Amino acid sequence: NAGVTQTPKFRVLKTGQSMTLLCAQDMNHEYMYWYRQDPGMGLRLIHYSVGEGTTAKGEVPDGYNVSRLKKQNFLLGLESAAPSQTSVYFCASSPGTVDGYTFGSGTRLTVV
Amino acid sequence: KNEVEQSPQNLTAQEGEFITINCSYSVGISALHWLQQHPGGGIVSLFMLSSGKKKHGRLIATINIQEKHSSLHITASHPRDSAVYICAVRSWGSQGNLIFGKGTKLSVKP
Repeated sequence: NAGVTQTPKFRVLKTGQSMTLLCAQDMNHEYMYWYRQDPGMGLRLIHYSVGEGTTAKGEVPDGYNVSRLKKQNFLLGLESAAPSQTSVYFCASSPGTVDGYTFGSGTRLTVV
Repeated sequence: KNEVEQSPQNLTAQEGEFITINCSYSVGISALHWLQQHPGGGIVSLFMLSSGKKKHGRLIATINIQEKHSSLHITASHPRDSAVYICAVRSWGSQGNLIFGKGTKLSVKP
């Protein structure tokens, strides 16, 4: 089925460990986004990409890195995980700036 | 002050009731989105609005650009409508990224 796929769905990390979250879309969308969702807060933008090979910082980029080597994939990396990065992470994609969004199902990350 | 405010934060209704969720925003926008998130689930896009009104089944979304306000209505509510409803706006000049409200948690009792 066409859409946005996030892997993994759940992960528990120890403080200081690293990991990569993968977002894959098969709709040929140009724009891709990583958001985090925390209790009592709206989703906040971490990083985004406006096309293959491009990335840009969002509202809360510290502690995260991203890469978009292929148009269909947008990777979010945590180099040294901290408990403050415990959150639910959502990836989304869009054809352009005036189009609708498609969201992934989320990755629930716990850092202990 | 948040750029996107939703009210109420929590809403409990009886099955069959008419429900209204409100969203106010303080920035100039090119579009407003209404999203639905079921417990433990992903986020589904319900509507994207830039003016007027849209209807899909029992859901109706309206927007007043001059007043910077939007409403989401659910007619003949059902327990399966229980979810968090999120308002998000795309501001002018953004790279398509959204500014999100905190969501309204709706519970519909049978």
